[in-house]
Parts: sequence; structure tokens; C-alpha cells
Amino acid sequence: EAQVTQNPRYLITVTGKKLTVTCSQNMNHEYMSWYRQDPGLGLRQIYYSMNVEVTDKGDVPEGYKVSRKEKRNFPLILESPSPNQTSLYFCASSPSRTGKSDTQYFGPGTRLTVL
Amino acid sequence: AQSVTQPDIHITVSEGASLELRCNYSYGATPYLFWYVQSPGQGLQLLLKYFSGDTLVQGIKGFEAEFKRSQSSFNLRKPSVHWSDAAEYFCAVGARSSGSARQLTFGSGTQLTVLP
Repeated sequence: EAQVTQNPRYLITVTGKKLTVTCSQNMNHEYMSWYRQDPGLGLRQIYYSMNVEVTDKGDVPEGYKVSRKEKRNFPLILESPSPNQTSLYFCASSPSRTGKSDTQYFGPGTRLTVL
Repeated sequence: AQSVTQPDIHITVSEGASLELRCNYSYGATPYLFWYVQSPGQGLQLLLKYFSGDTLVQGIKGFEAEFKRSQSSFNLRKPSVHWSDAAEYFCAVGARSSGSARQLTFGSGTQLTVLP
């Protein structure tokens, strides 16, 4: 089944404790992206990647890191989480190259709480 | 930079009634336009998309949307709402140019409540 998976689905942590949220897609998509969703703000893009070893900042990249060493994986890293990073996080992927392929497929979300 | 406005934070309709969710975008050229739905505790599911051609787009679950360039709008409609349509709906715009423009910009969402 074609899908985007995220782990963990739920995470409670404390300020300053490094964490990684994994994202994997099995559709051979070139483009992957991370969003955070906060009430009243919709989804805001954190980082995106157009291919292996190619990443770029989205609208709200501060406090986050990403890497794209393999096509299928795009982990989100919080080196020193803070309470304002408490949010619902979504990973998405999309085939690339042509405009008609810009539909993004979303993972189920990761609810992160930073105490 | 592109932006999306969904003017209605919350809409309540009765089951069987018609529905229209508003979406206005700001972009310098013809954008890609999307509607996504998010059911409680779920990820986002694509309802429909507009890339080019016919400005009236049909989607899944009986939804349709009309792209109106003159009004910079892409409103979502459904003639008869079902209780299972209760969810949050997001409009999104994507830029057509190459390079870094594969980002989607989302609106803040419209929460739909369906009364029995």
C-alpha cells in the first residue's frame, strides 16, 4: 500500500531533550516536506526536500533540522525542543518533475508535547 | 509570496443541506489549488485539485470546486452534506514556477459541523 508513515505518533518530552521524528514513504517520491499544524494557523511548512541531499527552509524552520540521506526517509530533528514546539506535525511527499505531480500525500501526524 | 484566506473559521449546516466553503488566494499568476480534508485524529486527505483547464473541478465524496480567476477564489461546494462530512477543511495554493516553489501554502482551515 502506498503510504507515508511517521513515528512516533505521539511523543511527550521535556525541554532540551533531543528528539527525532521519522518519516518514510514507499512511493519513490522525490519531494518530501514537514509541516506543523497549530490551532487557527493551519499548516505551516518547516522544511522541504526536492531530492536526496537537497533540503531547504520553509516558513518556520527555526529550532528544527532535517536530513535527506535516502530518497524514502526524511527525519525531523529537534536538537533542543522548547514548549513552543508543542504541535501536531505532518510529513508529506510528492512526485516531482511536472506540475501535475504536485499533489502531496500526508502521513498520519505526530502529536508532540514539550514540557 | 502566495497566501490563502479561509474567511470562515467554523460553519454549521444541517444534514442534507448544501455547503459552500470559501477560499481566496493571493498569487501573481495562475496557481495550483487544492482542497484537503482532515477528519478528527487523521491526516490530510486530498479532496480535489485544480491545475489547468476546466475551472469546475470534481473531487471525491461528491465535492466540487470552482476556480474563479477574477475573484481569486476557489470555493468548495457540495449539494447535500452527510454527517460523515464533519471535519476540518483546508484550502492550499501551490506556485507553478520551478525551483523552490513546490511549497504549499495552507489556509487556516474551516471547521465543519453537521447537525442531524
